[in-house]
Amino acid sequence: SYVLTQTPSVSVAPGKTARISCGGKNGASQSVHWYQQKPGQAPVLVVYDDSDRPSGIPERFSGSNSGDTATLTISGVEAGDEADYYCQVWDGSSEHVVFGGGTKLTVL
Amino acid sequence: QVQLVESGGGVVQPGGSLRLSCAASGLFLRTYGMHWVRQAPGKGLEWVAFIRYDGTEQHYTDSVKGRFTISRDNSKNTLYLQMNGLRDGDTAIYYCAKDGRAFGDYANWFDSWGQGTLVTV
Repeated sequence: SYVLTQTPSVSVAPGKTARISCGGKNGASQSVHWYQQKPGQAPVLVVYDDSDRPSGIPERFSGSNSGDTATLTISGVEAGDEADYYCQVWDGSSEHVVFGGGTKLTVL
Repeated sequence: QVQLVESGGGVVQPGGSLRLSCAASGLFLRTYGMHWVRQAPGKGLEWVAFIRYDGTEQHYTDSVKGRFTISRDNSKNTLYLQMNGLRDGDTAIYYCAKDGRAFGDYANWFDSWGQGTLVTV
């Protein structure tokens, strides 16, 4: 079955740039979506269709997808960005939604 | 503003059944596909099921196929998840989520989520 692989944890100092990767076997051919989840809260969509941002999401959040890896980039990281981040795709061959295992972003 | 409110969670013994509901407001539910996503304690997100906007197709993760049924009543703006044959591994917070693309033929992104309802087996 389709698997999305995420680095379990990423640490970054405030004001720096965080990059969270999501690897899949055909990453470039799938549209990748990203969610932020803070403790005790429901997930929030932060990027969809590889690089589009929903209304209300700061421009600091951006996405890209090339080759077999999609990347969520958070520029000028703030303490409030500390959360778990999940990537997600629709696997048309299995007709399943697939989530990555999640990346815990720690702001130092 | 879209609001999704889940209900129906609780404590159930292995082999038991529960029916979850998700009441939607602020949108015409019949326009969008809907999903159930669960999260076991301390674990990541796991997609459970998807139903097309018109109810003509349903898809399930392998571990619940044959035990869970997703359905919708567009006249009541409500989504359901009937869970039978519950197992310890089904213990999780269950979220309903709205698909991001109107009249989508398949699943896309999830742009609205409920706050979840806890199921303990």
